Amino acid sequence: KNEVEQSPQNLTAQEGEFITINCSYSVGISALHWLQQHPGGGIVSLFMLSSGKKKHGRLIATINIQEKHSSLHITASHPRDSAVYICAVRYHNTDKLIFGTGTRLQVFP
Amino acid sequence: ETGVTQSPTHLIKTRGQQVTLRCSSQSGHNTVSWYQQALGQGPQFIFQYYREEENGRGNFPPRFSGLQFPNYSSELNVNALELDDSALYLCASEYRGIYGYTFGSGTRLTVV
Repeated sequence: KNEVEQSPQNLTAQEGEFITINCSYSVGISALHWLQQHPGGGIVSLFMLSSGKKKHGRLIATINIQEKHSSLHITASHPRDSAVYICAVRYHNTDKLIFGTGTRLQVFP
Repeated sequence: ETGVTQSPTHLIKTRGQQVTLRCSSQSGHNTVSWYQQALGQGPQFIFQYYREEENGRGNFPPRFSGLQFPNYSSELNVNALELDDSALYLCASEYRGIYGYTFGSGTRLTVV
């Protein structure tokens, strides 16, 4: 069992739909990252959270520390949002990131 | 200088050869981590360097080694390449204590 679980693994949506990607982890963390990876590999950091909620444009990330769960929401999805979205956590007293296996999102026009 | 730059972007090597991958971190970032991402998988932690010393290692054999230099650049060296070493190698840097990794675009290594 992976320490960081993401769901769904694959997601297909029509342009304009509201998207939710979920991430669960097993122990206490100091921070959680949401990352975007396009074909070709480069990773872009979208959010870093330790509590509450953050918003940037059409993207919203939330985290519930007690439930060890985070969600990434995309409002009014667009084909350019098509990518792999990865959740990564930093556990207490460590500097390394533990990554989920990612959610592959495809948004069709 | 901003951003993290990795070179080369793509590389093909033969089994048994040695390879050096390079990462130029954001100025001031004293911590660099290297990750291996196999196709269809999430990145796996290889090791981390802090102020030019190894500061944590994942489940990778000793033929994976690294260096970090005072100019915020670093290297990942892999000896005796195996077919399973084919992957995307990512470096990520940050200033320790101020959380927030910046990732490079990766080097895609193919071992044939």
